[in-house]
Amino acid sequence: LAKTTQPISMDSYEGQEVNITCSHNNIATNDYITWYQQFPSQGPRFIIQGYKTKVTNEVASLFIPADRKSSTLSLPRVSLSDTAVYYCLVGGGNTNAGKSTFGDGTTLTVKP
Amino acid sequence: NAGVTQTPKFQVLKTGQSMTLQCAQDMNHNSMYWYRQDPGMGLRLIYYSASEGTTDKGEVPNGYNVSRLNKREFSLRLESAAPSQTSVYFCASRLDRSNEKLFFGSGTQLSVL
Repeated sequence: LAKTTQPISMDSYEGQEVNITCSHNNIATNDYITWYQQFPSQGPRFIIQGYKTKVTNEVASLFIPADRKSSTLSLPRVSLSDTAVYYCLVGGGNTNAGKSTFGDGTTLTVKP
Repeated sequence: NAGVTQTPKFQVLKTGQSMTLQCAQDMNHNSMYWYRQDPGMGLRLIYYSASEGTTDKGEVPNGYNVSRLNKREFSLRLESAAPSQTSVYFCASRLDRSNEKLFFGSGTQLSVL
């Protein structure tokens, strides 16, 4: 399984764009990159997933360079309610189809 | 649809007591998972079941047992609870492959005194 590395914490202010980068140097050809968001006292929830280049949905954008050894979650114009822990997961394809491990994630604190 | 349902939401045990955490999903998912989350930490995988009839160890399986009762239900059992097992436990499920999104329950807060 590809190991991921993220910053432990980040601070931002309301209205700013936040970029959280995840390193996954040993990503496999079949692996996808998935980001989850977790609020206190809740289970994580899916935000966005990508395989290469750029993916955008109503919540965030995900940028993946050509070598796929890292990815960047971009949250546009954050608000106080975006304060949460963000996890990057790598996996998929035909190998280890069942196992999914989380790292410690990135704690994002949005200030007024 | 209820999604992933965990019971109980809160539980206090004494050291040495046993209990079973229940998890059920109504999304016809094949894979189910049990994670624990200690304060200020990320989620650690205890056990998972890639499909009905199979279970496998995760990162921290010691002190736990699991049963995939049927496609819907995946239970986690603590045979002899220890204070080190005080944590929040999350059950999750996904349709099949690891590139598909995980759906989580609301968690069980367990305290072992």
